[in-house]
Amino acid sequence: NAGVTQTPKFQVLKTGQSMTLQCAQDMNHEYMSWYRQDPGMGLRLIHYSVGAGITDQGEVPNGYNVSRSTTEDFPLRLLSAAPSQTSVYFCASSPRHGTSYNEQFFGPGTRLTVL
Amino acid sequence: KQEVTQIPAALSVPEGENLVLNCSFTDSAIYNLQWFRQDPGKGLTSLLLIQSSQREQTSGRLNASLDKSSGRSTLYIAASQPGDSATYLCAVQDNNRKLIWGLGTSLAVNP
Repeated sequence: NAGVTQTPKFQVLKTGQSMTLQCAQDMNHEYMSWYRQDPGMGLRLIHYSVGAGITDQGEVPNGYNVSRSTTEDFPLRLLSAAPSQTSVYFCASSPRHGTSYNEQFFGPGTRLTVL
Repeated sequence: KQEVTQIPAALSVPEGENLVLNCSFTDSAIYNLQWFRQDPGKGLTSLLLIQSSQREQTSGRLNASLDKSSGRSTLYIAASQPGDSATYLCAVQDNNRKLIWGLGTSLAVNP
């Protein structure tokens, strides 16, 4: 099992550019999510999905879009990058969202800088 | 609103010490609590998950306890090693299935 994979590991964008952060998992997990991690603010939920075809907004969704066409993939799109989106982005998945045994598995992260 | 606090924010200990990291939460209505480890520049690694009906979980030198009534969890690390140096995060899953995160404790174990 590769677990949760993310690409790219590093990315530099100019203000106004768009890009897609890729996330994939091979554990057949129903739940996937995207977080951003900023110093002093902890992990904040951007978007999440409870299954293919179902997505919902998290705590800080503005400026980001997601889709979930397959169980395995959950890409995060930045529509028009802004310096405030400079952050480390983590994708996570878990197997049983509706139960108390819902261990979260994280990808290695994408470090994004917006100039 | 559920809030998660981790104290201390940073901790430095000599190798071999037993240590305790603390996590407190304000609402006892949780589904589970999970402890993670994050190495600098890396992702999060799950260490232990305690379901709401459980009191503790153990993995090797790690033991995590949960006291819902007092809103507290502790992560006990026995015989600490320099390789244990990392940031330790706790997260609770609330009744809406959302994860609420603490800011972490940065641990340095000195040889």
